[in-house]
Amino acid sequence: GAVVSQHPSRVICKSGTSVKIECRSLDFQATTMFWYRQFPKQSLMLMATSNEGSKATYEQGVEKDKFLINHASLTLSTLTVTSAHPEDSSFYICSARDMGRGRVTEAFFGQGTRLTVV
Amino acid sequence: AQSVTQLDSHVSVSEGTPVLLRCNYSSSYSPSLFWYVQHPNKGLQLLLKYTSAATLVKGINGFEAEFKKSETSFHLTKPSAHMSDAAEYFCVVSDGEGYGGSQGNLIFGKGTKLSVKP
Repeated sequence: GAVVSQHPSRVICKSGTSVKIECRSLDFQATTMFWYRQFPKQSLMLMATSNEGSKATYEQGVEKDKFLINHASLTLSTLTVTSAHPEDSSFYICSARDMGRGRVTEAFFGQGTRLTVV
Repeated sequence: AQSVTQLDSHVSVSEGTPVLLRCNYSSSYSPSLFWYVQHPNKGLQLLLKYTSAATLVKGINGFEAEFKKSETSFHLTKPSAHMSDAAEYFCVVSDGEGYGGSQGNLIFGKGTKLSVKP
């Protein structure tokens, strides 16, 4: 099956710094990528949806200036947590689908990134 | 709007006994339904999916689920639990497959933690 590689798997950063998380589709074109956040003992919450080459669509309550999403190519999307604070500590997971004309794949998930802000 | 309700937040079974994880959904049209499994600090793995074909869906690792439209249910079962099945399980409905303007987003249930006792 298709593989989505998410990097890094774990990161610890100081409060006030920025962290970039990468999500790559390794063997298919990810026309659409989704970024989720998972709080402890809770389900996944969609943060934003991005289509290749266009601006991301953010869910209500998600600060777009804080969580910068770039989807510049069909195989790479990045999530940058800017000026991170301890409350941003969470598990972030990306998901990718090929939803191009005539093609609809299932959603493939990255392995997740555990972000800890100290 | 679509929604998913997982009726049990935690299920505990003994190794070798059957597993039943319950899921009810609501959808304004014929839904696509999925079960994903998440092992600790890892990404999500697709167990099985229903996309309007056979109502009894067989997945990986011996899991299966039955789509019952009259009951709006999609319960996950396995005849005999194994220790390696201990994980969190998410029932998921898709808001569409990318046609007609839908984003192809996945709506997650709150998850059911499965514990398997020796």
